Amino acid sequence: GAVVSQHPSWVICKSGTSVKIECRSLDFQATTMFWYRQFPKQSLMLMATSNEGSKATYEQGVEKDKFLINHASLTLSTLTVTSAHPEDSSFYICSAPTNYGYTFGSGTRLTVV
Amino acid sequence: RKEVEQDPGPFNVPEGATVAFNCTYSNSASQSFFWYRQDCRKEPKLLMSVYSSGNEDGRFTAQLNRASQYISLLIRDSKLSDSATYLCVVGEYGNKLVFGAGTILRVKS
Repeated sequence: GAVVSQHPSWVICKSGTSVKIECRSLDFQATTMFWYRQFPKQSLMLMATSNEGSKATYEQGVEKDKFLINHASLTLSTLTVTSAHPEDSSFYICSAPTNYGYTFGSGTRLTVV
Repeated sequence: RKEVEQDPGPFNVPEGATVAFNCTYSNSASQSFFWYRQDCRKEPKLLMSVYSSGNEDGRFTAQLNRASQYISLLIRDSKLSDSATYLCVVGEYGNKLVFGAGTILRVKS
């Protein structure tokens, strides 16, 4: 089946620094990648949709200059949280639609201190 | 109003019990429906898709009522390993998935 590898699994960073999260499709080509964020006891909220070779589409209320998405190839999409602050601490997870349904990365737990 | 609403629970049930979860969605144009399972601090995993005709997979039965915009999941003969958060998920145009906040199930011996 289709596999999406997400790294890192967890990261702790200082306030003001940037963090890059990678999602790689290992055995298929991901033309689309969805990026979600999940706060404790809340649902996964779609942040943005990245499409290979074009600009990402951001959901209402998500700052595109703060959450930089790059989808430069069919196997790699990245999310960079710039100038992270404690309120950005969350569980970030990517997902790609495939012929088998939606496949999710394993998620990244970001803690900003 | 949330796009997908679920009772957060928790549902605390003994092993062997039957438990039912309900979900409602607000967008009548929604195209696909799923139940996902999420274990603590892990990614969601597809439990089953949901169809208007109803579908069953072992101990799990899912139902969809498009007129009422209502989805259900029934788990029979609960196992300890069924303890998790169950997410009601609705697919919309453009492959977009909208997640409910989840219902917590705790199965106890």
